[in-house]
Formats: sequence, structure tokens, C-alpha cells
Amino acid sequence: GESVGLHLPTLSVQEGDNSIINCAYSNSASDYFIWYKQESGKGPQFIIDIRSNMDKRQGQRVTVLLNKTVKHLSLQIAATQPGDSAVYFCAENKRAAGNKLTFGGGTRVLVKP
Amino acid sequence: NAGVTQTPKFQVLKTGQSMTLQCAQDMNHEYMSWYRQDPGMGLRLIHYSVGAGITDQGEVPNGYNVSRSTTEDFPLRLLSAAPSQTSVYFCASTRDRTNEKLFFGSGTQLSVL
Repeated sequence: GESVGLHLPTLSVQEGDNSIINCAYSNSASDYFIWYKQESGKGPQFIIDIRSNMDKRQGQRVTVLLNKTVKHLSLQIAATQPGDSAVYFCAENKRAAGNKLTFGGGTRVLVKP
Repeated sequence: NAGVTQTPKFQVLKTGQSMTLQCAQDMNHEYMSWYRQDPGMGLRLIHYSVGAGITDQGEVPNGYNVSRSTTEDFPLRLLSAAPSQTSVYFCASTRDRTNEKLFFGSGTQLSVL
């Protein structure tokens, strides 16, 4: 079946460097792609989303890139901070299917001081 | 503004026992959902509701029941707990079915012995 997955289970980043988290998806009919952040002991928190007709969207210190040709999604975090240490999930949604998000397995980001 | 509140935070059950996981939101959101999170896997949708009186199945509904008698509350019932239901459960809500920005509760860690 269709699925959303991640390339790297753990990413270690030096504080101040940029982080790039990757995600592959297979459902070309998805309307939206979303990134969530989950800190230890907490529920996931929405970071940013991108519509399928866009290539790039920027937020505060984060940028999401969408490459529909290779079905690839990435989240870039600028100037990574200790507070960015968390597990990051990508998700996809096909609104016509009822807003039932499909989540990937997650990537853990560890920020080294 | 409390957001999404889940109770209890931790629960241990014996096989065959039943229980209800509570979820309440104070944001007047129409859409509510339940996910389970297992190690190494993304969140999987159990059940969801697009409004009071309306519920539907997600990806992994077997063994769980839900009801939505009010906009605020969306309890999840385990009828006869099984070890395979050991997991962390998250309740989430969003404004409506066209919105991917889910607000998650802090989770319930359930162990079934």
C-alpha cells in the first residue's frame, strides 16, 4: 500500500549547524505534506505544512522542500539549537479521503553542544 | 486554554480488562482523532470524528470503540485488552476536516500484561 517513510532514523547535529531531515512518500495523490516535532514525553507538535502544488515553504528557522518528481520531502532547520532535539515526523494527507494523516516512522535529531 | 487533555497518563491492565481513555478539548474543534504510537513506527490512526455524533474507523480500529456525544469529548474504549494493545495513545483535534494542523494531547502510556 501507499506509505510515508524516512531515510535516517537518527541525525546528530552540532549546535549552530543546519539540519536536514528527509522523507520519502509514495502516494502521488496526497494534497498536503506536514512536519511534526515530538519532544520526549509529549505529543507531536505541528511545525509546517506544504501544499502539493508548491516546491518550497519557509517558516521561522525552518524550510520545507517538496520534490514531486522523486516523491521526496525535506525539512531544513537553520542554526540548530538544543531545543530542536526531538523526533521529527513527516505526514501526508489526502483531504478527499477524510483528513486521515499517514505518518512516517520518525527521525531523531540530537543536537550536540 | 488547556488545549487537548488526556487522562490517565499511565495505565496498566490485565489481559481481558476493559477501560476508557479520556480525551477532551476546549478549542471548539470539530475534528478529533485517536492515534497509537509503537516503537519504530509512526502514529497510526485508530478512529476519528468529524463532529458530534459522527465517528469513523481509521487504519487500526479493531479492539477499540469510540463515541462523540459532545464536541469537547472523544473517549476511546478498549473492550477486552490484549498485549498487542500495549502502546502510547494520543488524542488529537483540529478545527475541521480540511485542516492538517493537529493539536495533540500529551498521551496515555498503556501496558497490557
